[in-house]
Amino acid sequence: GAVVSQHPSRVICKSGTSVKIECRSLDFQATTMFWYRQFPKQSLMLMATSNEGSKATYEQGVEKDKFLINHASLTLSTLTVTSAHPEDSSFYICSARSGWTHFNEQFFGPGTRLTVL
Amino acid sequence: DAKTTQPNSMESNEEEPVHLPCNHSTISGTDYIHWYRQLPSQGPEYVIHGLTSNVNNRMASLAIAEDRKSSTLILHRATLRDAAVYYCILRDITRNTGNQFYFGTGTSLTVIP
Repeated sequence: GAVVSQHPSRVICKSGTSVKIECRSLDFQATTMFWYRQFPKQSLMLMATSNEGSKATYEQGVEKDKFLINHASLTLSTLTVTSAHPEDSSFYICSARSGWTHFNEQFFGPGTRLTVL
Repeated sequence: DAKTTQPNSMESNEEEPVHLPCNHSTISGTDYIHWYRQLPSQGPEYVIHGLTSNVNNRMASLAIAEDRKSSTLILHRATLRDAAVYYCILRDITRNTGNQFYFGTGTSLTVIP
């Protein structure tokens, strides 16, 4: 199957700083990428959908000014958590898809563990 | 989006078959049924998907009820590596907004040696 990578896999930062997480599709072009957040013992929650070259669409309740998403190329999307606080500590997962038909599955990255002190 | 209902947890003995149920009584005609699984501290992994007919692949089988209001993921011989949270997700491919996945609570499968 297709491979999606995330960098970094773990990050620890101080409260008030910003953190950037990268999501790359390694062997396919991703027209759409998705960002999820997962708190311990909970399910994945979709944060936003990003299409290459256009603005991300955020789910209700997700602050777009706090979670900045850039999808500048067909293989790279970035999520920047601005002015991070301890409540932003979570497991952030991206996924990527090359098309919209049922043949085009979503492939998930391995996740990034963010800890805000 | 149509919702899915799964048992919170299930147990299986190693090398025995496992049947993981999913109810989706509000499924629409254009919803595909997807199954993903997530091992601890990893991203979800694709397992199988289908629309109306039963599906088989090297990982599992998917049995879809005739009225499509429920489905069952079948692992033919559970191994310890199959211990994971299994998510049943509906995806409407006719939507123009990106065909997002909305994850439910999933079923946590424990495999007993």
